[in-house]
Amino acid sequence: DGGITQSPKYLFRKEGQNVTLSCEQNLNHDAMYWYRQDPGQGLRLIYYSQIVNDFQKGDIAEGYSVSREKKESFPLTVTSAQKNPTAFYLCASRIRDRSNQPQHFGDGTRLSIL
Amino acid sequence: ELKVEQNPLFLSMQEGKNYTIYCNYSTTSDRLYWYRQDPGKSLESLFVLLSNGAVKQEGRLMASLDTKARLSTLHITAAVHDLSATYFCAVLTGGGNKLTFGTGTQLKVEL
Repeated sequence: DGGITQSPKYLFRKEGQNVTLSCEQNLNHDAMYWYRQDPGQGLRLIYYSQIVNDFQKGDIAEGYSVSREKKESFPLTVTSAQKNPTAFYLCASRIRDRSNQPQHFGDGTRLSIL
Repeated sequence: ELKVEQNPLFLSMQEGKNYTIYCNYSTTSDRLYWYRQDPGKSLESLFVLLSNGAVKQEGRLMASLDTKARLSTLHITAAVHDLSATYFCAVLTGGGNKLTFGTGTQLKVEL
């Protein structure tokens, strides 16, 4: 079955540590996205990528970094500069330039501070 | 800055009742999406609305889009407990590359 796989499901970060969240899709989608969701709130866009080796900052990119070396993969690194990383992180993908198709979401990674 | 506002934020209703969730947005867009999220879970796509006047229906849910008023509605008919979830609208912006989400409406249908 095609889909988006996020791992790990739960992640704990120590102070001063960088952690990387994995997102892999086998839907052959060009565009991939990372969102952050805080309790009781909507989703906010961190980074997005329309094509391999290219990505753009979203609304809350500070303290995060991404790479897009392969079409299938869009990992997100939460750096030590992100002082409040505790949140639910969701990865999504979509066929580029097909606005009649929704974004498809992975099951998310829940990140907490130790 | 684009703002997407939903109301109500919380909705408690009895089974069998009807209600409407509203989604207002502050910039021109003719692409609007509705998603459902169960507690602790990911988002599931419900509807894609592609033009002014678009109406989509699935079971007890019906969504509509008025681009002139910058308003979308999600109407619930004869609610059942299984519809309890948080519902988000999202507007396509950024040249068609970005979604901006509303704050969500947490719906609880009482048995």
